[in-house]
Amino acid sequence: KQEVTQIPAALSVPEGENLVLNCSFTDSAIYNLQWFRQDPGKGLTSLLLIQSSQREQTSGRLNASLDKSSGRSTLYIAASQPGDSATYLCAVRPRAGNNRKLIWGLGTSLAVNP
Amino acid sequence: DGGITQSPKYLFRKEGQNVTLSCEQNLNHDAMYWYRQDPGQGLRLIYYSQIVNDFQKGDIAEGYSVSREKKESFPLTVTSAQKNPTAFYLCASSMAATPQETQYFGPGTRLLVL
Repeated sequence: KQEVTQIPAALSVPEGENLVLNCSFTDSAIYNLQWFRQDPGKGLTSLLLIQSSQREQTSGRLNASLDKSSGRSTLYIAASQPGDSATYLCAVRPRAGNNRKLIWGLGTSLAVNP
Repeated sequence: DGGITQSPKYLFRKEGQNVTLSCEQNLNHDAMYWYRQDPGQGLRLIYYSQIVNDFQKGDIAEGYSVSREKKESFPLTVTSAQKNPTAFYLCASSMAATPQETQYFGPGTRLLVL
């Protein structure tokens, strides 16, 4: 059964710091992995989608990597800003079973302090 | 201005009452989804629809019902059979229900029980 774990659960950093959020999954048979951002009380915003054949994706100050064989993905945020404060969720789309479903982690709550 | 809208933002349910959450998208997406989000738990899929007049149960469909009479609309009814309905409900859509497609989310509806 696919499980997704995000560590740490919460992170507080000073503004300007580069940081890494981690996501691990138990079954490497996935179509893709996606990173989302959620602001308090709001919906989710898709940040990056990495297909299983890809190693990384970049968007602005964000870079996501995928190592399928080890079941790990990292989201790198460069030069963090207070506006980056949010919860970051990762989700995988499994190949096995019902691939209409995303399997979600619990998220990392990030606070960037001015 | 394309996107997904959910209404209302807050909804209050009395015991024994059925309530309906609205989800509308103007992205011309074929697939639509309903998720429930509870503190300390990952997002859980309630129902999804790949095409008009068709929908499938997700992981926690008991106590919920949906319809998909129009491509742009996917309302969720929380019935009196759902004994613990207090949660944040998120609607999402994707261009097609293929594994490679990213999902776009609405702003959510928070359901509270009086």
